[in-house]
Amino acid sequence: GAVVSQHPSRVICKSGTSVKIECRSLDFQATTMFWYRQFPKKSLMLMATSNEGSKATYEQGVEKDKFLINHASLTLSTLTVTSAHPEDSSFYICSARERTGPKTEAFFGQGTRLTVV
Amino acid sequence: AQSVTQLGSHVSVSEGALVLLRCNYSSSVPPYLFWYVQYPNQGLQLLLKYTTGATLVKGINGFEAEFKKSETSFHLTKPSAHMSDAAEYFCAVTPTGGGNKLTFGTGTQLKVEL
Repeated sequence: GAVVSQHPSRVICKSGTSVKIECRSLDFQATTMFWYRQFPKKSLMLMATSNEGSKATYEQGVEKDKFLINHASLTLSTLTVTSAHPEDSSFYICSARERTGPKTEAFFGQGTRLTVV
Repeated sequence: AQSVTQLGSHVSVSEGALVLLRCNYSSSVPPYLFWYVQYPNQGLQLLLKYTTGATLVKGINGFEAEFKKSETSFHLTKPSAHMSDAAEYFCAVTPTGGGNKLTFGTGTQLKVEL
């Protein structure tokens, strides 16, 4: 299957700072990328959907000014957690689809463990 | 709106025993259905999916699932568990009518014992 690379895999940052997480599709062009947040022992919560060249669509309850998403190219999307606080600590996972349509498989990155201290 | 229910947050089986992980969905129209596996501190890997056609779907690592519309179920099975199957398993749905969003169940942690 296709490869989605997420970087970094782990990051520790101080409260009040910003952190950028990258999601790259290595061998295909991703028209759509998704960002999820996973709490301990919980399922994945979709945060936002991003399409290349347009603004991300955020799910209800997700602060778009806090979680900045940029999908500048067909192979790269970034999630920036701004002014991070300890409650933002979580496991963040991205996924990418080569084409639109529900049949198309979504490939997942390996996730980023964010710890805010 | 669609939703997914995974019965049993934890399932424990002996090595060599049958694995059965339950998934029921709620959707106004039959959705596309997926099973993913997640190993600790890793992303998700697709095990199998049902979109159209044969209702019994075979996936990787010996797993299979059967779509039963009358029961709104998509249970995941494997005839003989292996230690390497220990992981978190997620059932997910996406609407056939369009859109790309996956809705995930709450996950089932599979433990395989000697």
